[in-house]
Order: sequence, then C-alpha cells, then structure tokens
Amino acid sequence: DAKTTQPPSMDCAEGRAANLPCNHSTISGNEYVYWYRQIHSQGPQYIIHGLKNNETNEMASLIITEDRKSSTLILPHATLRDTAVYYCIVAGKLIFGQGTELSVKP
Amino acid sequence: GAVVSQHPSWVICKSGTSVKIECRSLDFQATTMFWYRQFPKQSLMLMATSNEGSKATYEQGVEKDKFLINHASLTLSTLTVTSAHPEDSSFYICSVKTGGNEKLFFGSGTQLSVL
Repeated sequence: DAKTTQPPSMDCAEGRAANLPCNHSTISGNEYVYWYRQIHSQGPQYIIHGLKNNETNEMASLIITEDRKSSTLILPHATLRDTAVYYCIVAGKLIFGQGTELSVKP
Repeated sequence: GAVVSQHPSWVICKSGTSVKIECRSLDFQATTMFWYRQFPKQSLMLMATSNEGSKATYEQGVEKDKFLINHASLTLSTLTVTSAHPEDSSFYICSVKTGGNEKLFFGSGTQLSVL
C-alpha cells in the first residue's frame, strides 16, 4: 500500500494561502489521493480528493503533480478555524500517516 | 455526504468493566464501517473493518476478543471494549465509506478513560 509523507508542522498567517505538501511516491496508477483534517478532539473531516487532474471545491484546491508522486493542498485564505492536523492518504488501505499540524496565526 | 453519529462522546469507567460504543450511519446504508483508535498526539490507527451481517476483520495486533464488533444492521455498528484497562484509554472513532470511491465520513469520536 502506498505510504505518504508530510511535514509534521506548518505555520500560516491568517488570510494568506496555506500550501500543504504530501509525498506519495509509491502511489499506483488507479489510486486516489484524499485529504482530511482533524480539529482537536473531533473526528476527521473530508476535504477533497483527486486522481490526476487538479481539483477545487468550496474548501480547498488540490494540485497533483504530473507523475502523481506528490500533491499539494491549498487553503486559499486561511482562517483561525483552519488550525488542525491535515492528513493526506492514498485510497485503499485507509492508513493515516502522522499528518501536518497547521497553525494559522493572527 | 454521509452523516455519522457516534455515542457516547466520552465515557469514564472502572478497570475491568466493559464499554459499548455505538456508530450510526444516519442517512446512508453502510455495509462496511471502520473503527479507529487514536492516542494523544498520534495519528489514527485502523483497528478493524466492520461488515454487516458477518464477522469483523481485525488489523494485525488488535485483539478480537477484547474489542468486540457487531454490525447487525446497515446503519449500526458497535464496538465493545471488554474488561477495559487504563491502557485502553484512547479516542475511538468510527467511519463509513460511501459510493464507489474511498471517501470516508467520520463520527465525532468517543473519548474513553479507564480508571
């Protein structure tokens, strides 16, 4: 099963774009990339997913490299409520890595 | 997306007692549900896959006799922590998978504290 690697933590200024990277170099051709976030003491929340093309929804944008070995989640205008742990996972085994703890600061 | 209700939100119990956690899919018939455990400052760890009408599939290292899973209907799965001990204190989360893809919807979690 494909593993993912993310930086353990990141800071972002409120109102600025938050760009969260994820490495998934062993991803298979038909495996999707999913992003979730978890606010402290709550269940994770689905954000977005993609296969090859870039995706955008009301929460975020997902940029996937052409070789699909990495992706970036973009929160275009981060707010304090976006402070959370963000997980990038590859579909299949539903295995969560350590995620990135994003701190949005005023 | 699916709405998943988990109950209770938190529970405190004495060592040696059993605790049941319920996971309900309110607007989706879930043939499969997943149970995760999360210790402080750590990621989610998949414990087992709950299958409606059949036995659950447990991940390696998870004791099936200690963590009893029942998935008797398409909308309800229960996790019972039997003879709980302090080391079982953790955040337990359930999820359902919808549609033909792997999108997951999670319950709000249950914080278990064993004294």
